[in-house]
Amino acid sequence: KAGVTQTPRYLIKTRGQQVTLSCSPISGHRSVSWYQQTPGQGLQFLFEYFSETQRNKGNFPGRFSGRQFSNSRSEMNVSTLELGDSALYLCASSMGGAVNTEAFFGQGTRLTVV
Amino acid sequence: AQSVTQLDSQVPVFEEAPVELRCNYSSSVSVYLFWYVQYPNQGLQLLLKYLSGSTLVKGINGFEAEFNKSQTSFHLRKPSVHISDTAEYFCALEGGGSQGNLIFGKGTKLSVKP
Repeated sequence: KAGVTQTPRYLIKTRGQQVTLSCSPISGHRSVSWYQQTPGQGLQFLFEYFSETQRNKGNFPGRFSGRQFSNSRSEMNVSTLELGDSALYLCASSMGGAVNTEAFFGQGTRLTVV
Repeated sequence: AQSVTQLDSQVPVFEEAPVELRCNYSSSVSVYLFWYVQYPNQGLQLLLKYLSGSTLVKGINGFEAEFNKSQTSFHLRKPSVHISDTAEYFCALEGGGSQGNLIFGKGTKLSVKP
């Protein structure tokens, strides 16, 4: 079956702009999580959505937001971009209903802010 | 607070040699632990997981890990590495009661030399 699909794969934006990233989970998965990966901070949890509701949230400013649609696809939005937002953004999907279900990761969207 | 520490940022090793990648965790509650691998420009792939039961966990590609509650460790081992094992390895624990919220270590870059 198809894996987790993230679009676009690469993105270049200017400081102050906003950006929307998309994640299509594996069919049947209801949980989608987002992570930011940078060389300095490593992998950091942004938020998780389950059945269109935010279930968990990491320690990021309000400029980072997300949503999930009824088909489980998810988007994350970053407003007023800063240079420090340059990162690889990873999306992971899982069944979400039980604790021991595996999380599958997409290939990520590499965002560069100039 | 929960945290994961990977003690080595880089591990060079010769092909066919054994390797151990070290991971220590901190948590006040029962933990679920994971090891992921990331190849260049890729997302993360699950190697193995510890949820409960036997403390020796076997994963894909010949990797195994041992959960040690008294030492709060979850070290990853492989008896004989291949060039293709060159990648970055991440130890993670489940935070917030959901596998949608993983807390990662900073990663260990394994470099296998011929």
